[in-house]
Amino acid sequence: NAGVTQTPKFQVLKTGQSMTLQCAQDMNHEYMSWYRQDPGMGLRLIHYSVGAGITDQGEVPNGYNVSRSTTEDFPLRLLSAAPSQTSVYFCASSYYAGSSYEQYFGPGTRLTVT
Amino acid sequence: AQTVTQSQPEMSVQEAETVTLSCTYDTSESDYYLFWYKQPPSRQMILVIRQEAYKQQNATENRFSVNFQKAAKSFSLKISDSQLGDAAMYFCAYRSSNSGAGSYQLTFGKGTKLSVIP
Repeated sequence: NAGVTQTPKFQVLKTGQSMTLQCAQDMNHEYMSWYRQDPGMGLRLIHYSVGAGITDQGEVPNGYNVSRSTTEDFPLRLLSAAPSQTSVYFCASSYYAGSSYEQYFGPGTRLTVT
Repeated sequence: AQTVTQSQPEMSVQEAETVTLSCTYDTSESDYYLFWYKQPPSRQMILVIRQEAYKQQNATENRFSVNFQKAAKSFSLKISDSQLGDAAMYFCAYRSSNSGAGSYQLTFGKGTKLSVIP
């Protein structure tokens, strides 16, 4: 199993550009989520999905869009990048929400918006 | 909303010694889950240990153990026989067990940077 994979690992964008961060998992997990990590802070939830076709907002959803057409993939779209979106982005997946089941994290994408 | 507080931004420990990282949390729920994650310089988030709030027994995983004090809402991590590979950021995290939006979210503290001195 590859686990949770994310592409790209690094990205530099100009203000106003759009892009999609890719996330895929091969563990047949129902639950997937996106977090961002800023310096001096823990991870904060952006969006999550409890299954194909079902998504919802987390703590910091503004400026991001998600969709889940398959169990495996959960892309994160930045519609119009802003410097405040400079961060490290993590995708995670697990079998169940609301449980002690481990969330598996991808390796992260470091995004810089200039 | 739940909050998680790690009051030690940085800590250091001598190799082979023991260190304890602190974590407190605030919640009105009676059932929930607590986790410690390790983030080495590679950025990968690695689960170290988990604790179910309904279990009174403290979780242990090899050299890692927790001191879970439910009434005090405290969840500290003890690392015994510290090794150079233990150097990393450590995050405490909370997850609700209730059905609903809160159960889908891990709420993280700001982290403690642990250095291991040879």
